[in-house]
Amino acid sequence: AQSVSQHNHHVILSEAASLELGCNYSYGGTVNLFWYVQYPGQHLQLLLKYFSGDPLVKGIKGFEAEFIKSKFSFNLRKPSVQWSDTAEYFCAVTIAGFQKLVFGTGTRLLVSP
Amino acid sequence: DTAVSQTPKYLVTQMGNDKSIKCEQNLGHDTMYWYKQDSKKFLKIMFSYNNKELIINETVPNRFSPKSPDKAHLNLHINSLELGDSAVYFCASTHPSSGGAEETQYFGPGTRLLVL
Repeated sequence: AQSVSQHNHHVILSEAASLELGCNYSYGGTVNLFWYVQYPGQHLQLLLKYFSGDPLVKGIKGFEAEFIKSKFSFNLRKPSVQWSDTAEYFCAVTIAGFQKLVFGTGTRLLVSP
Repeated sequence: DTAVSQTPKYLVTQMGNDKSIKCEQNLGHDTMYWYKQDSKKFLKIMFSYNNKELIINETVPNRFSPKSPDKAHLNLHINSLELGDSAVYFCASTHPSSGGAEETQYFGPGTRLLVL
């Protein structure tokens, strides 16, 4: 069965620091990859997604992620974080053609002002 | 003009009670889901319906019964509530028939269930 690993469970950064959150998945076929964000007390919102084409995808709020097929990875990056980026970040995967979204365990990001 | 809405937002109830959570989407999507987010924030799919037909049924106790009266609604009924059912339940929808970008799932605001 496919699975998603997020190795950083808690990340604490100061404002303006750079961010990279790791995400690895286990499935050898074609996948669709997503990063969702959940701000405190709110629902999940899509940050960005990858289906095909350019492996470097840009999302909202200055986030980007790079799909590296050989490493089964889809790491999330932001060059300079803000206090308002404090949230829980979830990596998720679907196998192309199937609607079952499998989530990683999430990474809690705390940005101190 | 909320895309995916859920009611109630909060639900506090006693063990053994039966409760329902409702979900509605106005995006014209034909597939809807229920996810459970536990106290450690882990999200796991429970059910999925496509055009009122059950297509995904993960290992969920029989006490949980989804019902889809039409493709814009997916309700979740829970019988004999247990302490372990306390969680946040998220509804989501998508329009996968076209593939590509339509496979993005849009989530509702969540229902916070607390069983005492």
